[in-house]
Amino acid sequence: QRVTQPEKLLSVFKGAPVELKCNYSYSGSPELFWYVQYSRQRLQLLLRHISRESIKGFTADLNKGETSFHLKKPFAQEEDSAMYYCALKSNSGNTPLVFGKGTRLSVIA
Amino acid sequence: KAGVTQTPRYLIKTRGQQVTLSCSPISGHRSVSWYQQTPGQGLQFLFEYFSETQRNKGNFPGRFSGRQFSNSRSEMNVSTLELGDSALYLCASSSQGTGGSNEQFFGPGTRLTVL
Repeated sequence: QRVTQPEKLLSVFKGAPVELKCNYSYSGSPELFWYVQYSRQRLQLLLRHISRESIKGFTADLNKGETSFHLKKPFAQEEDSAMYYCALKSNSGNTPLVFGKGTRLSVIA
Repeated sequence: KAGVTQTPRYLIKTRGQQVTLSCSPISGHRSVSWYQQTPGQGLQFLFEYFSETQRNKGNFPGRFSGRQFSNSRSEMNVSTLELGDSALYLCASSSQGTGGSNEQFFGPGTRLTVL
């Protein structure tokens, strides 16, 4: 199991679209998550692929063909600036979460 | 509900010493996982305890150990500290552990500095 977040830092202007990339390698059926850590706050779950929900305007679609789970938002806001981690776990058996190394999103006013 | 708490929040130790970190999960949560967070490696899984049993273990040397008590509180111990052990150690709790698709709730972390 491996999770790759190719960008360490992503800077976008306020109001611009944002896409945080996440690719994974796993032979079975994974569960994918995005966690976020705002400045001076705890790491917290943003969304998971099985919920198919939009949180704070963010969405993420699991693409099994491309083994990707990119996080997207059409219009970035300054309060979106944070560290974002993509994470994976097997949906069978007792396996732990495997995290990517994270992408720092900076939204410029 | 009170969130996950970790003590102490900051620690400074010297090489060769040992350290014990504590984690109190959310009330009712039986699973506690530990992670090491560093700028270079990101979040790396250390181990998970569920109902006082270690259920998963990451790829860390035997100097890293842990345990869980009957009230679900957990401790991790690092012996013979090395400079590279300097990191933020995060604890996370969940209601059912890694066996299900359950959200993990993270604590604020313990910042360990090894001099």
